Amino acid sequence: QVQLVQSGADVKKPGASVKASCKTSGYTFTSYYMHWVRQAPGQGLEWMGIINPSDGSTRYVQKFQGRLTMTRDTSTSIVYMELSSLRSEDTAVYYCARSLTTTPLDYWGQGTLVTVSS
Amino acid sequence: QSALTQPPSASGSPGQSVTISCTGTSSDVGGYDFVSWYQQHPGKAPKLMISEVSKRPSGVPDRFSGSKSGNTASLTVSGLQAEDEADYYCSSYADNNNVVFGGGTKLTVL
Repeated sequence: QVQLVQSGADVKKPGASVKASCKTSGYTFTSYYMHWVRQAPGQGLEWMGIINPSDGSTRYVQKFQGRLTMTRDTSTSIVYMELSSLRSEDTAVYYCARSLTTTPLDYWGQGTLVTVSS
Repeated sequence: QSALTQPPSASGSPGQSVTISCTGTSSDVGGYDFVSWYQQHPGKAPKLMISEVSKRPSGVPDRFSGSKSGNTASLTVSGLQAEDEADYYCSSYADNNNVVFGGGTKLTVL
């Protein structure tokens, strides 16, 4: 069965970087796009960007340009999301979710809580 | 891109029907038949309920249905059940290979 298993919660200081992982199984890794979506406490879903595991190409929302990097490792079927220059407003649960085309996002990881606090 | 507009809350009694709207623009909802709806229970990951405006993935009850008219999409939940109480988010493909979400609607089953 399709599974997206994300790395555990993390606490970072302002200005630091965080790298979350999303380990996939149960399907052909390179045949589906992977998205990252975040949700601040008590807030809605925010789409951050997308990576094509087949060729590593990415597209990021403008507000994250320069701070966000998505990568993949085809040997282990893992996708990574790195966000740098963290500020308190980046405190959120970060989800990975796959799609066959750009949408819909049909399977989601369990989420990774990232807390930014001094 | 701006978030899609959803009402913050909706409610209905068991057995009733409720409809949640999702308004965008011609650059997203109105321009493409790629509207999706997600259900999220507290502390859980979102779950896909409707794709491509009105398609139900396997396992989703047929009480859930979707539609679209112009720049507004709608999710209707018929025969409300207690387990339908959750947050619902619409999403759409948008110009230039983007994805946009709505602000979410909290559905309460009275």
